[in-house]
Amino acid sequence: SAVISQKPSRDICQRGTSLTIQCQVDSQVTMMFWYRQQPGQSLTLIATANQGSEATYESGFVIDKFPISRPNLTFSTLTVSNMSPEDSSIYLCSVVSGGANPNYGYTFGSGTRLTVV
Amino acid sequence: AQSVTQLGSHVSVSEGALVLLRCNYSSSVPPYLFWYVQYPNQGLQLLLKYTTGATLVKGINGFEAEFKKSETSFHLTKPSAHMSDAAEYFCAVSTDTGRRALTFGSGTRLQVQP
Repeated sequence: SAVISQKPSRDICQRGTSLTIQCQVDSQVTMMFWYRQQPGQSLTLIATANQGSEATYESGFVIDKFPISRPNLTFSTLTVSNMSPEDSSIYLCSVVSGGANPNYGYTFGSGTRLTVV
Repeated sequence: AQSVTQLGSHVSVSEGALVLLRCNYSSSVPPYLFWYVQYPNQGLQLLLKYTTGATLVKGINGFEAEFKKSETSFHLTKPSAHMSDAAEYFCAVSTDTGRRALTFGSGTRLQVQP
């Protein structure tokens, strides 16, 4: 199954600034998913990143706030823009392991713990 | 679109007692169902999954779950709880059509009392 390297693992940022999170996969994957886990909450899907097209955002998430890049089939970035303390969360990327069919399960990055002060 | 409901945000059991964590799903197409565990300040770990085939699925650490289509359920059980089972448990659903992302339930925090 795929292995994901996610960076940074944690950061403390000033409000009003932006942070870019990177995920590198050791194999080519069609879809990459970005999730947010707010403190004490479950995981919420932010968007699906497809190579060669714009990301598809879930309700409540917009491109201006969470721009995503997907330059190739092994890499994606998520930027959290104009941050406020409410953006303090863990952000995770995920891919379908071993192919495009969820039958194989999913692989998650180790997460980026973001604190906005 | 699919969704997951986990009944009980907190479950407390005694060590050695049966663990039962409830999960109901909604999906217009055949679902793939997953249980994940998250220990404090750690990442997600897959406990088990149902995709096709046998409806009783065995996972790691003695956990198992049964897919019941008629009840749209995928409850997680373990015959005898250990202190080390204390964690947050998430049920999730996906399908092989559409967006294919996992949709997570709200989670159940399991406490194990000595």
